[in-house]
Amino acid sequence: NAGVMQNPRHLVRRRGQEARLRCSPMKGHSHVYWYRQLPEEGLKFMVYLQKENIIDESGMPKERFSAEFPKEGPSILRIQQVVRGDSAAYFCASSPLSAANTGELFFGEGSRLTVL
Amino acid sequence: KNQVEQSPQSLIILEGKNCTLQCNYTVSPFSNLRWYKQDTGRGPVSLTIMTFSENTKSNGRYTATLDADTKQSSLHITASQLSDSASYICVVSANPPEYGNKLVFGAGTILRVKS
Repeated sequence: NAGVMQNPRHLVRRRGQEARLRCSPMKGHSHVYWYRQLPEEGLKFMVYLQKENIIDESGMPKERFSAEFPKEGPSILRIQQVVRGDSAAYFCASSPLSAANTGELFFGEGSRLTVL
Repeated sequence: KNQVEQSPQSLIILEGKNCTLQCNYTVSPFSNLRWYKQDTGRGPVSLTIMTFSENTKSNGRYTATLDADTKQSSLHITASQLSDSASYICVVSANPPEYGNKLVFGAGTILRVKS
C-alpha cells in the first residue's frame, strides 16, 4: 500500500510566482489535512478537506492561499504571488476518519518550498 | 486557549541510555493524545494514540503515559539508539468535532543520541 504521496518534494519559486503542491492520500482515505512547518517550529494547521469540500480552512491565510480536493485526483494547495515568508515545509496528512475522532493521521514526506 | 507545551526543547543523551520527554496541555475537552516521531527532512510518524481512559501505552522501546487529571503526558524511551535521534511531537485532539478538526501540535522535543 502506498503511503501519502506529496509532490514536488522540493520547489523553488521567485517572489510573485505561483506554487502548486499536490497530495495524494492513502487509498481509502477521504480526509486530507495540510500543515505548514517553519524551521525550528511545530506544525501549524492550515486546512482540512474531504472530497470536494473544504471543512475547515481557519488556519489558512485568506489571501493568496487556496486548497481543493476534487472528486478525482490529488488535493492541491495553491499559493499565489509567493513571498519569502511562504518558504516552509508543507505537509499533507490523510485519515480514513475525522482525525479528531481517533482516526490516525498518516503524513506525507512534505514539500519544501523555497522562495527566492 | 488550547495549547500544548513540550519540554525539554532539546536533549542530548548517550546511546543506550533512557530518557523521558514531557508534554503538558490545556486542550479541553480532551479527546486523545498522540506522540509522533519526525526524522529530519521527513514527515511525522505516529508512535502512540491514547484516549482518556488509557494511562500507559507501549510501542517497542517507547512507552507513553497519560494523566488526564493533571493534563500531562510523557514519552519514555528505553535503551536509546542512534536512530532515535529525531523530533518528538505531542499532539492533542479536542472533542467534540464541532470544536474544529484541528489537532493542537506541540513544538516538539529534539532528541539527539550520541555514540
